[in-house]
Amino acid sequence: GQQLNQSPQSMFIQEGEDVSMNCTSSSIFNTWLWYKQDPGEGPVLLIALYKAGELTSNGRLTAQFGITRKDSFLNISASIPSDVGIYFCAGQGMHDKIIFGKGTRLHILP
Amino acid sequence: DAGVIQSPRHEVTEMGQEVTLRCKPISGHDYLFWYRQTMMRGLELLIYFNNNVPIDDSGMPEDRFSAKMPNASFSTLKIQPSEPRDSAVYFCASSGDLNTGELFFGEGSRLTVL
Repeated sequence: GQQLNQSPQSMFIQEGEDVSMNCTSSSIFNTWLWYKQDPGEGPVLLIALYKAGELTSNGRLTAQFGITRKDSFLNISASIPSDVGIYFCAGQGMHDKIIFGKGTRLHILP
Repeated sequence: DAGVIQSPRHEVTEMGQEVTLRCKPISGHDYLFWYRQTMMRGLELLIYFNNNVPIDDSGMPEDRFSAKMPNASFSTLKIQPSEPRDSAVYFCASSGDLNTGELFFGEGSRLTVL
């Protein structure tokens, strides 16, 4: 079945640092999505990408839909404490199915 | 507007018992998804419905799991009999327009099977 490989699994950074994470797949997706999950809550959509090569920003977040349609990355600039959480990439292929990666846990050191 | 509502938030049960998790999607949303989250496997899609009809249940682990959506405002995920390896957080999510890729998740039901 379709699988997403997300890396890194976890990150420990200092406040103010930039963050980069990515997602790859052996399958082509029509839409790439990035979600964030805060502790004790469900994931919330951050950014959606609909075209190969598309680069989209949402505040300090920037994400790109890979040209091969098999990968995507998410960058967070100048991290702040509220950025802590789990970031999931997700791909939407045929038949509306949305598949999630295993997540990247972001920790910010005091 | 109310979001996706799941119950119970927490359940602790013993192996062999039946577990029923409930979900009320956002009113007007045609799609409903059930996911399971564990540390090892991340967020796994179990099943999803469109207009109350199951579209893809290939992620349901085995026959012990079943899901129903008797009407547009209610869905259940049942595990019978439950096993310790079923311990996880179960999320329900709904969407009104899958073209956007946006799912609205509930707060999850944390299941512990002893």
